[in-house]
Amino acid sequence: AQKITQTQPGMFVQEKEAVTLDCTYDTSDPSYGLFWYKQPSSGEMIFLIYQGSYDQQNATEGRYSLNFQKARKSANLVISASQLGDSAMYFCAMSRSARQLTFGSGTQLTVLP
Amino acid sequence: DTGVSQDPRHKITKRGQNVTFRCDPISEHNRLYWYRQTLGQGPEFLTYFQNEAQLEKSRLLSDRFSAERPKGSFSTLEIQRTEQGDSAMYLCASSTGLAEHNEQFFGPGTRLTVL
Repeated sequence: AQKITQTQPGMFVQEKEAVTLDCTYDTSDPSYGLFWYKQPSSGEMIFLIYQGSYDQQNATEGRYSLNFQKARKSANLVISASQLGDSAMYFCAMSRSARQLTFGSGTQLTVLP
Repeated sequence: DTGVSQDPRHKITKRGQNVTFRCDPISEHNRLYWYRQTLGQGPEFLTYFQNEAQLEKSRLLSDRFSAERPKGSFSTLEIQRTEQGDSAMYLCASSTGLAEHNEQFFGPGTRLTVL
């Protein structure tokens, strides 16, 4: 079974600063994918970034980067230069072989002006 | 608009009634997924399709729930004899089905309220 743990129910960050959202996972599968999604108050899930378990380098997409530490089973999301529009719920998720996503409980990020 | 679409966006029904939701995936995606999300929680998997074949169903999908994807394009999710506990956001997602880098793209969801 796969499990995702997000231990930060809520986080605050000052505008233009960087913030790290924590995610740990548990799986016995050797091959898996890790994802981060953003869910604004409108409700739509927006894909942010992907990391494959065999990828040697940490994934980056614009202001988003994924700090992947395989031995620690962690996949933290780093958002640089936070913007007010980054305020949303953030979910970490994992899957294997294009099957269903298993989500964590989420972290509510609030960016302060 | 080439994203995933869902209809209706909101549904209010009385307990015991049947409801049906529709999902239209991104056209070139052959995998389609249904999730349910309750307030303050992450989405929970319900079922998914590879083309028209339903490959996996969650234990959450009781016998009152049925999903179809008859021609491998759009999908419907039906809930029979709705209960108040069915009140949730129902999310549909689609993907290419490739084993690698298989991000799922979500629709706006259907919010169900059972009175």
